[in-house]
Amino acid sequence: DGGITQSPKYLFRKEGQNVTLSCEQNLNHDAMYWYRQDPGQGLRLIYYSQIVNDFQKGDIAEGYSVSREKKESFPLTVTSAQKNPTAFYLCASSIDLPSLNQPQHFGDGTRLSIL
Amino acid sequence: AQSVTQLGSHVSVSEGALVLLRCNYSSSVPPYLFWYVQYPNQGLQLLLKYTSAATLVKGINGFEAEFKKSETSFHLTKPSAHMSDAAEYFCAVTSRSNDYKLSFGAGTTVTVRA
Repeated sequence: DGGITQSPKYLFRKEGQNVTLSCEQNLNHDAMYWYRQDPGQGLRLIYYSQIVNDFQKGDIAEGYSVSREKKESFPLTVTSAQKNPTAFYLCASSIDLPSLNQPQHFGDGTRLSIL
Repeated sequence: AQSVTQLGSHVSVSEGALVLLRCNYSSSVPPYLFWYVQYPNQGLQLLLKYTSAATLVKGINGFEAEFKKSETSFHLTKPSAHMSDAAEYFCAVTSRSNDYKLSFGAGTTVTVRA
Protein backbone atom coordinates (compact mmCIF):
# COMPACT_ATOMS: atom_id res chain seq x y z
CA ASP A 1 0.00 0.00 0.00
CA GLY A 2 1.23 3.47 -0.84
CA GLY A 3 1.48 5.98 1.92
CA ILE A 4 3.54 8.17 4.19
CA THR A 5 5.58 6.73 7.05
CA GLN A 6 6.70 8.91 9.93
CA SER A 7 9.09 7.71 12.60
CA PRO A 8 9.41 7.55 15.46
CA LYS A 9 5.87 7.84 16.77
CA TYR A 10 7.10 9.34 20.07
CA LEU A 11 10.33 11.27 20.61
CA PHE A 12 11.88 12.95 23.60
CA ARG A 13 14.39 15.77 23.43
CA LYS A 14 16.83 16.92 26.06
CA GLU A 15 17.76 20.56 26.47
CA GLY A 16 20.27 21.71 23.87
CA GLN A 17 19.80 18.63 21.72
CA ASN A 18 18.93 18.45 18.03
CA VAL A 19 16.51 15.72 16.99
CA THR A 20 15.50 14.51 13.54
CA LEU A 21 12.05 13.32 12.53
CA SER A 22 11.81 10.96 9.60
CA CYS A 23 9.25 11.15 6.79
CA GLU A 24 9.21 8.71 3.88
CA GLN A 25 6.61 8.43 1.10
CA ASN A 26 6.13 5.85 -1.63
CA LEU A 27 3.39 7.73 -3.47
CA ASN A 28 5.80 9.16 -6.06
CA HIS A 29 4.72 12.67 -5.02
CA ASP A 30 6.87 15.66 -5.89
CA ALA A 31 5.72 17.96 -3.08
CA MET A 32 6.25 17.32 0.62
CA TYR A 33 5.37 19.36 3.71
CA TRP A 34 6.00 19.55 7.45
CA TYR A 35 3.35 20.90 9.82
CA ARG A 36 3.30 21.54 13.53
CA GLN A 37 0.06 20.94 15.43
CA ASP A 38 -0.67 22.50 18.82
CA PRO A 39 -3.99 22.13 20.65
CA GLY A 40 -6.56 24.68 19.47
CA GLN A 41 -4.30 26.11 16.75
CA GLY A 42 -4.81 23.88 13.78
CA LEU A 43 -1.81 23.05 11.61
CA ARG A 44 0.98 25.50 10.89
CA LEU A 45 3.38 25.06 7.98
CA ILE A 46 7.06 24.72 8.91
CA TYR A 47 8.76 23.90 5.59
CA TYR A 48 7.74 22.59 2.20
CA SER A 49 9.52 21.18 -0.82
CA GLN A 50 8.28 21.14 -4.39
CA ILE A 51 11.14 19.15 -5.84
CA VAL A 52 14.32 17.33 -4.87
CA ASN A 53 17.13 19.59 -3.59
CA ASP A 54 14.77 22.52 -3.15
CA PHE A 55 12.68 23.66 -0.18
CA GLN A 56 11.07 26.83 1.17
CA LYS A 57 10.28 28.19 4.60
CA GLY A 58 6.73 28.10 5.77
CA ASP A 59 5.11 30.27 8.42
CA ILE A 60 7.09 29.03 11.44
CA ALA A 61 10.49 27.86 10.13
CA GLU A 62 12.65 29.36 12.91
CA GLY A 63 14.40 26.66 14.91
CA TYR A 64 13.84 23.98 12.28
CA SER A 65 15.79 22.68 9.29
CA VAL A 66 15.05 20.22 6.47
CA SER A 67 16.70 18.48 3.54
CA ARG A 68 15.34 16.91 0.37
CA GLU A 69 18.06 14.73 -1.10
CA LYS A 70 15.67 12.08 -2.37
CA LYS A 71 12.17 12.36 -3.78
CA GLU A 72 10.74 9.97 -1.20
CA SER A 73 12.37 11.45 1.91
CA PHE A 74 11.95 14.79 3.71
CA PRO A 75 13.47 14.69 7.22
CA LEU A 76 12.87 17.50 9.69
CA THR A 77 15.47 18.51 12.30
CA VAL A 78 14.26 20.31 15.41
CA THR A 79 17.27 22.29 16.56
CA SER A 80 18.17 23.56 20.02
CA ALA A 81 17.16 27.02 18.79
CA GLN A 82 13.50 25.92 18.89
CA LYS A 83 12.63 26.85 22.46
CA ASN A 84 9.16 25.34 22.51
CA PRO A 85 9.39 22.12 20.51
CA THR A 86 6.70 20.14 22.32
CA ALA A 87 4.04 19.45 19.68
CA PHE A 88 2.62 16.92 17.26
CA TYR A 89 4.47 16.99 13.93
CA LEU A 90 2.78 15.93 10.73
CA CYS A 91 4.36 15.21 7.36
CA ALA A 92 2.31 15.38 4.18
CA SER A 93 2.78 15.01 0.45
CA SER A 94 0.90 15.89 -2.73
CA ILE A 95 1.40 15.15 -6.40
CA ASP A 96 2.77 18.64 -6.89
CA LEU A 97 2.20 22.04 -5.37
CA PRO A 98 0.22 23.89 -8.04
CA SER A 99 -2.32 21.09 -8.51
CA LEU A 100 -5.26 22.56 -6.67
CA ASN A 101 -7.36 19.49 -7.32
CA GLN A 102 -4.93 17.21 -5.57
CA PRO A 103 -5.23 16.94 -1.80
CA GLN A 104 -2.39 16.43 0.60
CA HIS A 105 -1.87 12.99 2.10
CA PHE A 106 -0.73 12.82 5.71
CA GLY A 107 1.41 10.52 7.81
CA ASP A 108 0.40 9.46 11.32
CA GLY A 109 2.60 12.00 13.03
CA THR A 110 5.43 12.18 15.56
CA ARG A 111 4.78 13.46 19.07
CA LEU A 112 7.80 15.34 20.41
CA SER A 113 8.22 16.13 24.09
CA ILE A 114 10.88 17.82 26.20
CA LEU A 115 12.60 15.75 28.92
CA ALA B 1 -4.14 36.51 1.81
CA GLN B 2 -6.37 33.59 2.68
CA SER B 3 -7.69 32.30 5.97
CA VAL B 4 -10.25 29.96 7.49
CA THR B 5 -12.43 30.39 10.55
CA GLN B 6 -14.15 27.42 12.13
CA LEU B 7 -16.99 28.47 14.40
CA GLY B 8 -17.07 26.42 17.58
CA SER B 9 -14.06 24.55 18.88
CA HIS B 10 -16.27 21.82 20.30
CA VAL B 11 -19.56 20.32 19.12
CA SER B 12 -21.55 17.68 20.98
CA VAL B 13 -24.33 15.75 19.26
CA SER B 14 -26.53 12.78 20.07
CA GLU B 15 -26.17 9.61 18.07
CA GLY B 16 -28.54 9.84 15.10
CA ALA B 17 -28.72 13.65 15.19
CA LEU B 18 -27.56 16.09 12.54
CA VAL B 19 -23.89 17.05 12.56
CA LEU B 20 -23.18 20.64 11.41
CA LEU B 21 -19.66 22.05 11.44
CA ARG B 22 -19.20 25.64 10.30
CA CYS B 23 -16.37 26.98 8.18
CA ASN B 24 -15.98 30.47 6.74
CA TYR B 25 -13.11 31.44 4.50
CA SER B 26 -11.52 34.57 3.14
CA SER B 27 -9.72 34.61 -0.16
CA SER B 28 -9.09 37.34 -2.71
CA VAL B 29 -9.22 34.81 -5.56
CA PRO B 30 -11.37 31.71 -6.18
CA PRO B 31 -10.60 29.24 -3.42
CA TYR B 32 -10.28 25.50 -3.25
CA LEU B 33 -11.63 24.11 0.02
CA PHE B 34 -11.13 20.89 1.91
CA TRP B 35 -12.45 19.15 5.00
CA TYR B 36 -10.17 16.73 6.84
CA VAL B 37 -10.84 14.45 9.83
CA GLN B 38 -8.30 13.49 12.48
CA TYR B 39 -8.68 10.64 14.95
CA PRO B 40 -6.58 10.71 18.16
CA ASN B 41 -2.84 10.38 17.56
CA GLN B 42 -3.28 9.96 13.83
CA GLY B 43 -2.75 12.05 10.74
CA LEU B 44 -5.42 13.83 8.75
CA GLN B 45 -7.71 12.02 6.34
CA LEU B 46 -9.47 13.80 3.49
CA LEU B 47 -13.27 13.86 3.84
CA LEU B 48 -14.11 15.93 0.77
CA LYS B 49 -12.91 18.78 -1.44
CA TYR B 50 -14.43 21.67 -3.38
CA THR B 51 -12.68 22.47 -6.65
CA SER B 52 -15.35 24.57 -8.44
CA ALA B 53 -17.00 21.68 -10.31
CA ALA B 54 -20.13 21.56 -8.11
CA THR B 55 -21.22 23.59 -5.11
CA LEU B 56 -22.59 20.58 -3.20
CA VAL B 57 -19.82 18.13 -2.52
CA LYS B 58 -20.28 14.62 -1.20
CA GLY B 59 -17.51 12.94 0.70
CA ILE B 60 -16.74 9.77 2.57
CA ASN B 61 -18.63 8.40 5.58
CA GLY B 62 -21.88 10.18 4.63
CA PHE B 63 -20.53 13.73 4.96
CA GLU B 64 -21.26 16.52 2.53
CA ALA B 65 -20.50 20.23 2.29
CA GLU B 66 -21.97 23.13 0.35
CA PHE B 67 -19.90 25.96 -1.08
CA LYS B 68 -21.72 29.30 -0.78
CA LYS B 69 -19.77 32.10 -2.36
CA SER B 70 -22.17 34.81 -1.20
CA GLU B 71 -21.68 33.72 2.39
CA THR B 72 -17.99 32.72 1.98
CA SER B 73 -18.90 29.48 3.72
CA PHE B 74 -18.21 25.78 3.33
CA HIS B 75 -20.14 24.10 6.15
CA LEU B 76 -19.88 20.35 6.70
CA THR B 77 -22.96 18.26 7.47
CA LYS B 78 -23.97 14.68 8.13
CA PRO B 79 -27.67 13.83 8.56
CA SER B 80 -27.22 11.19 11.25
CA ALA B 81 -24.25 11.05 13.62
CA HIS B 82 -22.57 7.77 14.46
CA MET B 83 -20.32 7.04 17.41
CA SER B 84 -17.42 6.59 14.98
CA ASP B 85 -17.77 10.25 13.91
CA ALA B 86 -16.16 11.38 17.16
CA ALA B 87 -12.96 13.08 16.00
CA GLU B 88 -11.45 16.48 15.21
CA TYR B 89 -12.39 18.13 11.93
CA PHE B 90 -10.37 20.70 10.04
CA CYS B 91 -11.42 23.03 7.25
CA ALA B 92 -8.64 24.19 4.90
CA VAL B 93 -8.33 26.61 1.99
CA THR B 94 -5.83 27.01 -0.83
CA SER B 95 -5.55 29.34 -3.78
CA ARG B 96 -2.96 30.85 -6.09
CA SER B 97 -2.87 33.92 -3.86
CA ASN B 98 -0.95 31.92 -1.24
CA ASP B 99 1.23 29.99 -3.68
CA TYR B 100 -1.19 27.06 -3.43
CA LYS B 101 -0.28 26.34 0.19
CA LEU B 102 -2.99 25.10 2.54
CA SER B 103 -4.26 27.29 5.37
CA PHE B 104 -6.06 25.38 8.13
CA GLY B 105 -8.73 26.38 10.57
CA ALA B 106 -8.22 25.77 14.29
CA GLY B 107 -10.34 22.63 14.21
CA THR B 108 -13.64 21.47 15.73
CA THR B 109 -13.79 18.49 18.07
CA VAL B 110 -16.96 16.41 17.74
CA THR B 111 -18.23 14.23 20.55
CA VAL B 112 -21.16 11.88 20.03
CA ARG B 113 -23.49 11.02 22.92
CA ALA B 114 -25.12 7.61 23.04
